[in-house]
Amino acid sequence: AQSVTQLGSHVSVSEGALVLLRCNYSSSVPPYLFWYVQYPNQGLQLLLKYTSAATLVKGINGFEAEFKKSETSFHLTKPSAHMSDAAEYFCAVSGSQGNLIFGKGTKLSVKP
Amino acid sequence: GAVVSQHPSWVICKSGTSVKIECRSLDFQATTMFWYRQFPKQSLMLMATSNEGSKATYEQGVEKDKFLINHASLTLSTLTVTSAHPEDSSFYICSAKRGPYQETQYFGPGTRLLVL
Repeated sequence: AQSVTQLGSHVSVSEGALVLLRCNYSSSVPPYLFWYVQYPNQGLQLLLKYTSAATLVKGINGFEAEFKKSETSFHLTKPSAHMSDAAEYFCAVSGSQGNLIFGKGTKLSVKP
Repeated sequence: GAVVSQHPSWVICKSGTSVKIECRSLDFQATTMFWYRQFPKQSLMLMATSNEGSKATYEQGVEKDKFLINHASLTLSTLTVTSAHPEDSSFYICSAKRGPYQETQYFGPGTRLLVL
């Protein structure tokens, strides 16, 4: 069975600082991994995805994530946080039915 | 792009009434759609998987007779919450895939349901 663990329900950074959101997964098959962002009262927007190609994946808005099989991790990073990055971020792994299995989410706050 | 819309975005209803939520893929054909439910400050939980022209597959613990799903066309899936009660109040989000073997899901903006 597949599962996702996001470490830290709330991360706070200063504007311009590095953003690091952690995600570890469990999967019995080679996984497809995703990061989504959700702004208040809105749906989810795809930031980036890993589908067994390059292990370093670049997404929108300057975000990137690195797939590390040995660590079963897919952490999301951004070199310099912007105020507009404040949102909820969800890591997800593809399920056996083609659905997505989400982590509990990490709320990112950006301080001026 | 790949745009998914939901209607309505907000609905308030009385306990005991039924509410229908529509999910449409606007610029692509979606053979598979998913319905998720999200409680405040929590993650998304899959309710059911909907394939065009066939019966939906419900997750364990989701009442089929309460949450009716119809995927009548390649661009439309509907979720009907029958005899809604206050505990059904939640944020319902749908997503769509271009095909069963496509890995990317495109999400709608969500529908917030409040049952009084």
